[in-house]
Amino acid sequence: EIVLTQSPGTLSLSPGERATLSCRASQSVSSSFLAWYQQKPGQAPRLLIHAASSRDTDIPDRFSGSGSGTDFSLTISRLEPEDFSVYYCQQYGTSPYTFGQGTKLEIK
Amino acid sequence: QLQLQESGPGLVKHSETLSLTCTVSGYSISDSITSARYYWGWIRQPPGKGLEWIGSIYYSGSTYYNPSLKSRVTMSVDTSTNQFSLRLSSLTAADTAVYYCARQDGSGIYRYWGQGTLVTVSS
Repeated sequence: EIVLTQSPGTLSLSPGERATLSCRASQSVSSSFLAWYQQKPGQAPRLLIHAASSRDTDIPDRFSGSGSGTDFSLTISRLEPEDFSVYYCQQYGTSPYTFGQGTKLEIK
Repeated sequence: QLQLQESGPGLVKHSETLSLTCTVSGYSISDSITSARYYWGWIRQPPGKGLEWIGSIYYSGSTYYNPSLKSRVTMSVDTSTNQFSLRLSSLTAADTAVYYCARQDGSGIYRYWGQGTLVTVSS
């Protein structure tokens, strides 16, 4: 199975700053089938990005995804208070689908 | 508006079998035009930990499971009630988690999720 490693584990930033989250795969992700989700406490994950760089419907344009092969990233250009939560990457190019362990974005 | 809702016991005993049902509203699992686009999946999340894909089922009943759980998992779908179900056998404490049902785009992404249900395995 493809193992996804997210870094950093915790990222401490202030509102208005730029955040860059990393997701590294143990082998190449087929067709850049890589997604990013945001999860807030007590809630189900919310799809932000699919196909590595396609923002899902109604996702603000401050969220952007990039990468291919084994290295992917999620960038939030200017942090809003509601962006502080946990983010997961998921690869869906190869079964079993796998998720990273998550990056917690916290207010500094 | 598509909604999914998990139901089932919140507490199950060690070595027993968990049965969960996901009720879909706002969309017909067997919709003649669009049903071919979607699978229906189960994902779980142990308390304070990350997400684990359990498996997925098509409206026709075909399934594919995570190999790490395959020997203990059975999924089924009932288009007459617009529900799909998960059975997980031989439970241990490691199966304690929030279990989510979700609609899976054919590619494998999850846009629509249930609220999740916490299942605790007791000894």
